Amino acid sequence: DIVMTQSPATLSVSPGEGASLSCWASQSVSSKLAWYQQKPGQAPRLLIYHASARATGIPARFSGSGSGTEFTLTISSLQSEDFAVYYCQQYNDWPRTFGQGTKVEI
Amino acid sequence: EVQLVESGGGFIKPGGSLRLSCAASGFTFSRAWMSWVRQAPGKGLEWIGRIKSQKDGGTTDYAAPVNGRFTGSRDDSTNTVYLQMNSLKTEDTGVYYCAKGGPYGDYVDLWGQGTLVTVSS
Repeated sequence: DIVMTQSPATLSVSPGEGASLSCWASQSVSSKLAWYQQKPGQAPRLLIYHASARATGIPARFSGSGSGTEFTLTISSLQSEDFAVYYCQQYNDWPRTFGQGTKVEI
Repeated sequence: EVQLVESGGGFIKPGGSLRLSCAASGFTFSRAWMSWVRQAPGKGLEWIGRIKSQKDGGTTDYAAPVNGRFTGSRDDSTNTVYLQMNSLKTEDTGVYYCAKGGPYGDYVDLWGQGTLVTVSS
C-alpha cells in the first residue's frame, strides 16, 4: 500500500496568517492527489483534486501544488472557518489511502 | 438537491452482520463510481471499498482489512448503493461514509453524512 505521511500533525496559526501543509507519498502517485477538510462532527469536504485543481465552490485562498511524492496545501490568510483537520489522499493506486491528517488550530 | 443519505448503522455484537444503505439523489447515479470510507472514533479516514458503474463493469475492490467480509452492491433503478458487512469485529467500529467518486478520478466529490457502526460485546 502507498503510505501517505502528513506534516505537521498540528499547526497553530492566527487568523489572517498563511499556512502550508505537507503530504508525502511512499512512492510516486503522479498528480493523483486530493485534499479534504473535515470539521468536528461533519463529513469531509473536497478542496483540491489532481494536486492543484480547486473543487467547485472552494475559495481561492486554498491552493495545492506538487507531483510525484511531495505535495503542499497552502491556505493564504486563514479565516475562522478554516480551522479544521486536513487530509491528503492518493488515488493513483489501490487501495486508495489517506494521510493521518493535519489539525490546523488557533 | 445533490446528496447521499446513509442508513443502517447501529450496535452489533462481534461476529454479527449489518447492511448499510446509501440513497443518492441530484446526480446521474448510474454513471458514478461509489465508495465507502470509514473513520474509527478519534482517528483518520480509511477507504474500504468501491464499486464501479455498470458501464465500467460494476466491479468491486476492497481494502485488505475488510476483503472477504464486506460486499458492496448497487441498484441503479433506485439510486442506492449497499455495503453488506459480515463477521464484524470490534475494530470495524466507526462512522461509515458513503462517497461519490469524482468525474476525473477516484477522489470523493460528494460525501454522505455518515452512519455510526458500533461493534461491541
